[in-house]
Parts: sequence; structure tokens; C-alpha cells
Amino acid sequence: EAGVVQSPRYKIIEKKQPVAFWCNPISGHNTLYWYRQNLGQGPELLIRYENEEAVDDSQLPKDRFSAERLKGVDSTLKIQPAELGDSAVYLCASSLDPAPGEQFFGPGTRLTVL
Amino acid sequence: GNSVTQMEGPVTLSEEAFLTINCTYTATGYPSLFWYVQYPGEGLQLLLKATKADDKGSNKGFEATYRKETTSFHLEKGSVQVSDSAVYFCALGKAAGNKLTFGGGTRVLVKP
Repeated sequence: EAGVVQSPRYKIIEKKQPVAFWCNPISGHNTLYWYRQNLGQGPELLIRYENEEAVDDSQLPKDRFSAERLKGVDSTLKIQPAELGDSAVYLCASSLDPAPGEQFFGPGTRLTVL
Repeated sequence: GNSVTQMEGPVTLSEEAFLTINCTYTATGYPSLFWYVQYPGEGLQLLLKATKADDKGSNKGFEATYRKETTSFHLEKGSVQVSDSAVYFCALGKAAGNKLTFGGGTRVLVKP
């Protein structure tokens, strides 16, 4: 079974530039999460989708961040414009249902903003 | 709000040594508790979990017991290997929404 796929794995951009991350969850997983992991810290939830609906985006900085999950499968997280403080690893995870259980994580996208 | 506190690393051990990583939590209600592991260059993987008080999660020689009276979920392994070198994250999840709250992670380095 294929795991959670993310691309790109690494991205270096200059501040004020836009950037987008893509995630393909495990087939059949209706719940998708985007986390941000700052260096030396644990992941923090940005947004959670149940199918195509964003059900928890309270931690998403909506002035510059946006996300979508068309057709309830793949998802894209966008930052525009990027700031120096956005440098982090962006993790995508998926799970079979919303109850507490195992979340399957992708390898992440390491973003460096110069 | 919910929070997880785990011991800071790095923790450096010799092979076959005993490993303990402390984890305490603050939460309302009855969360589920998890240990995730992140090997170098890889994504987080669930190592073990416990869903109610006094449950013991175990996997790959690792164990952790859900202690509600001390709000703790300490990770232990009796004899570590070099391949156990990784970053370990303690996390809690609530019934509503499955949001995971992670601790800061503990880096473990096992030397031969």
C-alpha cells in the first residue's frame, strides 16, 4: 500500500514569493491534515479536512495561507507571500476516520525562505 | 488547553542500555495517548498508543503505560539498538476531531 505522498521534498524561495505544497493521502482515507513543524519542535496542526470540507482551520494564518482539497482526495497548501518565519517542514497526514487513531504521515516538505 | 511535555534531548546511550523518555500531559477529559517516531529522513510513524487509563501500548520492544493519576505516558525500552536512533514524539488526541497535540520531541542517539 502506498503511503502519503508529498511534493516537493525541498523548496527554497525568497521572501515575498509564493509557494505551494501538494499532498496525496492514502487511498480511502477521508481525513487529511496539514501540520507545520518548526526546527526542534513537534508538529502543529494547520488545517484538517473531512473529505473536501475544512473542519478545523483555526490555526491557519489566513492572511497568507490557503488550502484546498478538491474532490476530497489530493490537497494543496499555499503560502503567498512567504515570510522568513515560514521556514519549516510542512507535513501532510491522513487517517481513515476522525476518531483518535493512527495518522499516517508523509515525509514532509522542507521550506527555506531566504 | 491541551499540552504535552516531554524530556529534552539529546539522549545518548550505548547499545543494550535501558531507555526512558518521560512524557506528561495536560488535557480535559480522557484523551488517547501516542508515541510517534521519526527516523532520519523519514516521516513520523506511529510507534504505540493507549486509549484509556492503565492501558499499556507496546511495539518493537518499546512500552508505555497510560497513567491517569500522574498524567504520564513514559516510553521505555529495555535494550536499545543503534537502529533505535531517532526523534520520539509524545502526543495526545481527543475524541472530537482527532487533533493531535505533540510534545517537542526527544532525540535519541544510540552508539555501538
